[in-house]
Amino acid sequence: GAGVSQSPSNKVTEKGKDVELRCDPISGHTALYWYRQSLGQGLEFLIYFQGNSAPDKSGLPSDRFSAERTGGSVSTLTIQRTQQEDSAVYLCASSLDRGDQETQYFGPGTRLLVL
Amino acid sequence: AQSVTQLGSHVSVSEGALVLLRCNYSSSVPPYLFWYVQYPNQGLQLLLKYTSAATLVKGINGFEAEFKKSETSFHLTKPSAHMSDAAEYFCAVSGGGSQGNLIFGKGTKLSVKP
Repeated sequence: GAGVSQSPSNKVTEKGKDVELRCDPISGHTALYWYRQSLGQGLEFLIYFQGNSAPDKSGLPSDRFSAERTGGSVSTLTIQRTQQEDSAVYLCASSLDRGDQETQYFGPGTRLLVL
Repeated sequence: AQSVTQLGSHVSVSEGALVLLRCNYSSSVPPYLFWYVQYPNQGLQLLLKYTSAATLVKGINGFEAEFKKSETSFHLTKPSAHMSDAAEYFCAVSGGGSQGNLIFGKGTKLSVKP
């Protein structure tokens, strides 16, 4: 079956511009996660959605970052007024349900470069 | 709080040699542990996971890992390396709580020499 998909695969933007990154989770998966992978910080958790519940935003690095999940499916991560330190690979993952034991399935990521 | 330490950012082995990638964890609750592999320009793929059912966990591609509570370790091994095993490997612990976000180690890049 189809895995997690993300778009765009690559994004180059200028400092100060807003960007939107999209994630399509595996059909039927209720939990969705965003992570950021950068050279200096490794893999960091950003935000978590479970069904239609309010998201867990505890990992977002600043208020320039926000995310939404419409209809319990597709999610969009928005970065406003991008900075060079936002350059990273943004990974989305989904799992069948929430919980420590659940396997998370990752998308291929969006590689963001802020000039 | 949960954390993971991977010893060695780069490991190089010869084809056919034993692969050993080290992972130590810190957790205030019984941990759930994962190994993921990342090939260049791809996302992460689950190799195996420990969820307390058995301490020796077998995964895909001939990999296995042993959970040792006394050593707080979850090292990844493979008896014989293949060229196709060259990738970056991440150990992760579940963050605890109901949301289950993963806390990753810094990763170990495995090179396989012919």
